[in-house]
Amino acid sequence: GAVVSQHPSRVICKSGTSVKIECRSLDFQATTMFWYRQFPKKSLMLMATSNEGSKATYEQGVEKDKFLINHASLTLSTLTVTSAHPEDSSFYICSARGQGMNTEAFFGQGTRLTVV
Amino acid sequence: AQSVAQPEDQVNVAEGNPLTVKCTYSVSGNPYLFWYVQYPNRGLQFLLKYITGDNLVKGSYGFEAEFNKSQTSFHLKKPSALVSDSALYFCAVSLNQAGTALIFGKGTTLSVSS
Repeated sequence: GAVVSQHPSRVICKSGTSVKIECRSLDFQATTMFWYRQFPKKSLMLMATSNEGSKATYEQGVEKDKFLINHASLTLSTLTVTSAHPEDSSFYICSARGQGMNTEAFFGQGTRLTVV
Repeated sequence: AQSVAQPEDQVNVAEGNPLTVKCTYSVSGNPYLFWYVQYPNRGLQFLLKYITGDNLVKGSYGFEAEFNKSQTSFHLKKPSALVSDSALYFCAVSLNQAGTALIFGKGTTLSVSS
């Protein structure tokens, strides 16, 4: 299957700072990528859909000014958590999918963010 | 609206026994259904999908899933469980629109004891 690489896998930052997470599709072009947040032993919460060359589409309740998404190329999307707070600590996962409705999604390895 | 339900938070089986992880769905139109597995602190790995055709779909690591349209179910199965199968399993459905995110169930933790 296709490979999606997410970096970093783990990051610790201080409250008030910003953290950038990168998501790359290594062997295919992804016009659309997805960012999820996962709480302990819980399902994946879709945060936003990242569209190459245009603004991201955020799910209800997700602060777009706090979770900045940039999808500048067909192989790279970034999520920046701005002014991080301890409650932002979570596991963030990116995903990319082909254009067909019947195609599976491929996931990055995830990023464990801890805000201290 | 499309949705997926996984009624069990946890499934416990002994190694060598068959396992079933349940999933039911609600979609408008043709369902596109998926199973993923997640190991601790890792992303999700694709196991299998149902698009059309045979109701029994075979996937990775010996897993299979049976699509049942009348019961709107897509249960994940394996004839003989391994301890290494212990993980978190997610069922997902695709919206009938290109380029959209998968919608996931809440996940089921599978624990296989030796």
